[in-house]
Amino acid sequence: RKEVEQDPGPFNVPEGATVAFNCTYSNSASQSFFWYRQDCRKEPKLLMSVYSSGNEDGRFTAQLNRASQYISLLIRDSKLSDSATYLCVVSFNQGGKLIFGQGTELSVKP
Amino acid sequence: NAGVTQTPKFQVLKTGQSMTLQCAQDMNHEYMSWYRQDPGMGLRLIHYSVGAGITDQGEVPNGYNVSRSTTEDFPLRLLSAAPSQTSVYFCASSEAGGRYYEQYFGPGTRLTVT
Repeated sequence: RKEVEQDPGPFNVPEGATVAFNCTYSNSASQSFFWYRQDCRKEPKLLMSVYSSGNEDGRFTAQLNRASQYISLLIRDSKLSDSATYLCVVSFNQGGKLIFGQGTELSVKP
Repeated sequence: NAGVTQTPKFQVLKTGQSMTLQCAQDMNHEYMSWYRQDPGMGLRLIHYSVGAGITDQGEVPNGYNVSRSTTEDFPLRLLSAAPSQTSVYFCASSEAGGRYYEQYFGPGTRLTVT
């Protein structure tokens, strides 16, 4: 079983749609959680950290359920510019050791 | 600040050749890491370093060596290239301490081994 698993994609949605991505992790000792965004053939960039209480950044909402070892990302009012691959990322310590999910591709169409 | 830089951007090697992928950061970050990205596999950690002189293995370290003689540089050496090492390689750095640190990635090196 992979340590971090994400919804298989791709997700094809119209502009303005709401889309949700799910992610599960296997190691209950995981301490920190993130969503990264990766545009085609570019480097990943941090989208948002995921806090235990859940957090929101504009149209993006991240949730964490430690009991179920589950993370989610909700994107409201999708824009064409949201088209990218979204990576669920988990860390077990405070160092530079991140475990990435395989990514979920999102394509927002006009 | 240039951030994280990687050279070369593209490289083609023959099986058995060796080479070093360069990574440098100018943000005085203590943590640096190397990842490889293959289709459908996400990013996998090869080696990482929590400071100058300290390195450790990640998920897929075989066939790769690293060293960290300075805070700024973290080169990745391929000892004897194999076709299975064809991949995109990303270097990343982050500040030390705290649980929610952002990793900054370089633009990647696209390596093909024939």
